[in-house]
Amino acid sequence: QKEVEQDPGPLSVPEGAIVSLNCTYSNSAFQYFMWYRQYSRKGPELLMYTYSSGNKEDGRFTAQVDKSSKYISLFIRDSQPSDSATYLCAMSAGSGGGNKLTFGTGTQLKVEL
Amino acid sequence: DAGITQSPRHKVTETGTPVTLRCHQTENHRYMYWYRQDPGHGLRLIHYSYGVKDTDKGEVSDGYSVSRSKTEDFLLTLESATSSQTSVYFCAISDGTDTQYFGPGTRLTVL
Repeated sequence: QKEVEQDPGPLSVPEGAIVSLNCTYSNSAFQYFMWYRQYSRKGPELLMYTYSSGNKEDGRFTAQVDKSSKYISLFIRDSQPSDSATYLCAMSAGSGGGNKLTFGTGTQLKVEL
Repeated sequence: DAGITQSPRHKVTETGTPVTLRCHQTENHRYMYWYRQDPGHGLRLIHYSYGVKDTDKGEVSDGYSVSRSKTEDFLLTLESATSSQTSVYFCAISDGTDTQYFGPGTRLTVL
């Protein structure tokens, strides 16, 4: 079983919809949680970064972490066609550049006009 | 792409040949990483570096070696390429926080 599980999708939604993307994990040592967005044939770009449990909002994006359930979410409000991409969750146990990230396999999102 | 370039961007090679991929950064970040990305597996760490001449293995390091002789350059070498190493390779950098910034990737095909 993988340390981080993520539904691969594809997830197709109409423009303007609220999108919920999720990851579950098994390693209770994970404390730092990230979401990356990856457009087709591009490198992943960091979207959100959170530490421990709680919510973090940035524009139309909200990241939510529930450590008790080992469950993280990314919500996208008022989704746009430009949000069509693959979303990767990532997490690590410690702080610092030497700490390794564990990635989910990514969820492919398509926002349709 | 946060001042990260990768070269070549595309390469086709034959089984058994050595291949070197280059990652170059202009951010002066201490940490550099090499990942491969495959369908169903996501991003998997091959090797990483925490300084000049300081490197360590990741989860899928067999068949790969790395070198870092300068802060800005991190080289990944496939000693004898195999078809199972056909993949997209990403370099990433970090300034010491948990966030990593990725390059544009190299698409490698081993025939």
